[in-house]
Amino acid sequence: QVQLVQSGPDVKKAGSSVKVACTASGGTFSTYVIAWLRQAPGQGLQWMGGIIPVFGTTNYPQRFHGRVTITTDESTSTAYMELSSLRSEDTAMYYCARSMSLSADAFDIWGQGTMVTVSS
Amino acid sequence: QSVLTQPPSVSGAPGQRVSISCTGSSSNIGAGYDVHWYQQLPGTAPKLLISGNSHRSSGVPDRFSGSKSGTSASLVITGLQAEDEADYFCQSYDISLSARDYVFGTGTKVTVL
Repeated sequence: QVQLVQSGPDVKKAGSSVKVACTASGGTFSTYVIAWLRQAPGQGLQWMGGIIPVFGTTNYPQRFHGRVTITTDESTSTAYMELSSLRSEDTAMYYCARSMSLSADAFDIWGQGTMVTVSS
Repeated sequence: QSVLTQPPSVSGAPGQRVSISCTGSSSNIGAGYDVHWYQQLPGTAPKLLISGNSHRSSGVPDRFSGSKSGTSASLVITGLQAEDEADYFCQSYDISLSARDYVFGTGTKVTVL
């Protein structure tokens, strides 16, 4: 069974960037979608984008205005999410998750989450 | 920005039946997109409970069931147990004029009395 393990918590200054890693083990990595989602304290979930590793195809929502970049390293079965121009409202738990497509499907396997704190 | 509306909380005694609604619109649930449900225990990542409106994930007890009708969906827990105390979120897909996006519910806290 595939497991997704994320990098550890991070504290960043406003205006800087953060890069979170998500490493897959125990199964196929390349042909599924790896998506990134976040959850601000006490809030609901928000989709940040996704990638199909084998094709490098990505899909992002408009609301991040180009601040999100998702990449993969197939040699290590690792996906990365980089968020730039950080602001205090980006403080959240960030999750990677697997789905079957870049639209409409459920997220069936999740990483444990990475807390990112943005300080001014 | 949650697009799907859920009740903030529901509660019930052990063994009772509770229902959680998820109300959307014609650009998401009403457009025919599936609804998926997640359970989130405190301090943990969400866990997929039900996909495709009514299909339970492997290992999910059959006391959990889902349905969809029109612009809404429901998650029902029949025979509530103490370990069901958690937050529950619904998820669908939205195709508004300006964007296509995954959308999530506002979340419902289930309390076992």
